Amino acid sequence: DVMMTQSPLSLPVTLGQPASISCRSSQGLVYSDGDTYLNWFQQRPGQSPRRLIYKVSNRDSGVPDRFSGSGSGTDFTLKINRVEAEDVGVYYCMQGTHWPPTFGQGTKVEIK
Amino acid sequence: EVQLVESGGGLVQPGGSLRLSCAGSGFTFSTYSMSWVRQAPGKGLEWLSYISGSSNTIYYADSVKGRFTISRDNAKNSLYLQMSSLRDEDTAVYYCAREKFGTLGYWGQGTLVTVSS
Repeated sequence: DVMMTQSPLSLPVTLGQPASISCRSSQGLVYSDGDTYLNWFQQRPGQSPRRLIYKVSNRDSGVPDRFSGSGSGTDFTLKINRVEAEDVGVYYCMQGTHWPPTFGQGTKVEIK
Repeated sequence: EVQLVESGGGLVQPGGSLRLSCAGSGFTFSTYSMSWVRQAPGKGLEWLSYISGSSNTIYYADSVKGRFTISRDNAKNSLYLQMSSLRDEDTAVYYCAREKFGTLGYWGQGTLVTVSS
């Protein structure tokens, strides 16, 4: 199985400051169709996961534009431009290129 | 609006069985593949099983292969997970999610399964 490694696992952030989460895969994530199936999910406390980003950099409808995804190959990043209180939660990357789908360990974002 | 609503969770003894359901609405259920994902208390996400829209293709994670069975009834817009030979380590919140190749676009609210004597 493809291993997804996130860092950091804990990320204290000051309100209004930027935040960045790294996700590295043990294999390249480019599929035979040329797309890269790397997703980011947000899980707020007590809620189910919500997809924020799909195929590396495509934001879901309703996701604030302070969230952005980037990367290629095996290295990917989720950035939050200016952290707001509602961004507190755990963020997971997930690859869907190789079977079975696999998730990173999660990064807990909290306010300092 | 896409909605997924899980049900059927509860307390079960080790070695017991339980059947989870997931009701889909707001989309043409039969045209989407579906998956089950679980989250143990305080832990991360683990994909468990996949079923195509026509039920022709089914996959399982090694951790549940031979013990869990995924199925669906498109006439009822419902997805199921039959769980047997349950172990303590199966204690988790179980989510159903709508699949599109390489991603899980919509998730239910989850149903808690507790395996304990």
